[in-house]
Amino acid sequence: LAKTTQPISMDSYEGQEVNITCSHNNIATNDYITWYQQFPSQGPRFIIQGYKTKVTNEVASLFIPADRKSSTLSLPRVSLSDTAVYYCLVGGPNAGNMLTFGGGTRLMVKP
Amino acid sequence: KAGVTQTPRYLIKTRGQQVTLSCSPISGHRSVSWYQQTPGQGLQFLFEYFSETQRNKGNFPGRFSGRQFSNSRSEMNVSTLELGDSALYLCASSPDGGRGNSPLHFGNGTRLTVT
Repeated sequence: LAKTTQPISMDSYEGQEVNITCSHNNIATNDYITWYQQFPSQGPRFIIQGYKTKVTNEVASLFIPADRKSSTLSLPRVSLSDTAVYYCLVGGPNAGNMLTFGGGTRLMVKP
Repeated sequence: KAGVTQTPRYLIKTRGQQVTLSCSPISGHRSVSWYQQTPGQGLQFLFEYFSETQRNKGNFPGRFSGRQFSNSRSEMNVSTLELGDSALYLCASSPDGGRGNSPLHFGNGTRLTVT
């Protein structure tokens, strides 16, 4: 099982770009990297997923280097409503792999 | 499509009692996973059901159990409640369990308080 390591917390200001890096040194060949966002008293919400290189959607970008041992979630021009906990999750397609959430990164966006 | 629905939203129980939580997955999703979230331990995997069979189980005592019905709806049961069972219990569904390129879709959880 690929273990993930993320910073415990980060602070930013409105309008800035935020980059959160996740380390997953023992990622397996078939594993995908998925990021979730969670607000208090709500379930995590899917943000973005990737396998290699770069993925972009309407809310974020995900950068994955060639060795795939880390990944970086990039949030462009954050607002106060982006204050949340962000989780990096690594998992593969094989039945029997348990999905493990790490501690997450608590992002605080200040005005 | 309707999202993942968990009932009840809040629950207060007394130590020693038992509780049953319910989860209705997104239509067409065959996998349902359960997670416990506490301030101290974070999000911890309880178990996963796929097509009515338990496919994975986390490191929780036997007091925690679950099942899945033929319509993919799932229930989890906690017997002999302890104070430490107070937590937000989250249910997630996906077509295949969140593996590969199939992300998990979470409900907003059941907040269980044990007094």
